Amino acid sequence: GAVVSQHPSWVICKSGTSVKIECRSLDFQATTMFWYRQFPKQSLMLMATSNEGSKATYEQGVEKDKFLINHASLTLSTLTVTSAHPEDSSFYICSARSGTNTGELFFGEGSRLTVL
Amino acid sequence: QQQVKQSPQSLIVQKGGISIINCAYENTAFDYFPWYQQFPGKGPALLIAIRPDVSEKKEGRFTISFNKSAKQFSLHIMDSQPGDSATYFCAALRGSNYKLTFGKGTLLTVNP
Repeated sequence: GAVVSQHPSWVICKSGTSVKIECRSLDFQATTMFWYRQFPKQSLMLMATSNEGSKATYEQGVEKDKFLINHASLTLSTLTVTSAHPEDSSFYICSARSGTNTGELFFGEGSRLTVL
Repeated sequence: QQQVKQSPQSLIVQKGGISIINCAYENTAFDYFPWYQQFPGKGPALLIAIRPDVSEKKEGRFTISFNKSAKQFSLHIMDSQPGDSATYFCAALRGSNYKLTFGKGTLLTVNP
């Protein structure tokens, strides 16, 4: 299957700093990418939908100024957690949709953010 | 309002047994129903998926049963193995926006 790579896989930062997480589709062009957040032992919650070359669409309750999403190319989307606080500590997962007719969704391995 | 309800929350099965996880949905506009397997610290991986024009789909030990009139679908894992121990999520998607709505997950433990 297609591969979606996330980097870093884990990151620890101090409160007040910003952290960038990258999501890359390695062997296909992703017309759309999605960012999810998952707390321990909970389900995935969609944060935003990212389309290449346009502004991301955020789900209700997600602060767009807090979670900056950039989808600069068909293979790369980035999520920047600005002025991170301990409550932002979570597992962030991206998924990418291929541009084929089936439009299958492929998930990255996730990025564990810990804010001290 | 939870659009995809998943049960049970946790499940313990003996090796070789059948694991059954159930999901129910509310939105009749959903047209794609995938199941994902997630191991601790990893992203979810697509296991098997079904569309509403089919009542059953089988891939190896994994089978999805789909009941359109009842708006329910279930995952059956035959001959369950300890390596199947993971969290399983059902999901539903409407083809026009590709936004997945996930169930709350089922933690499956298969005892040796």
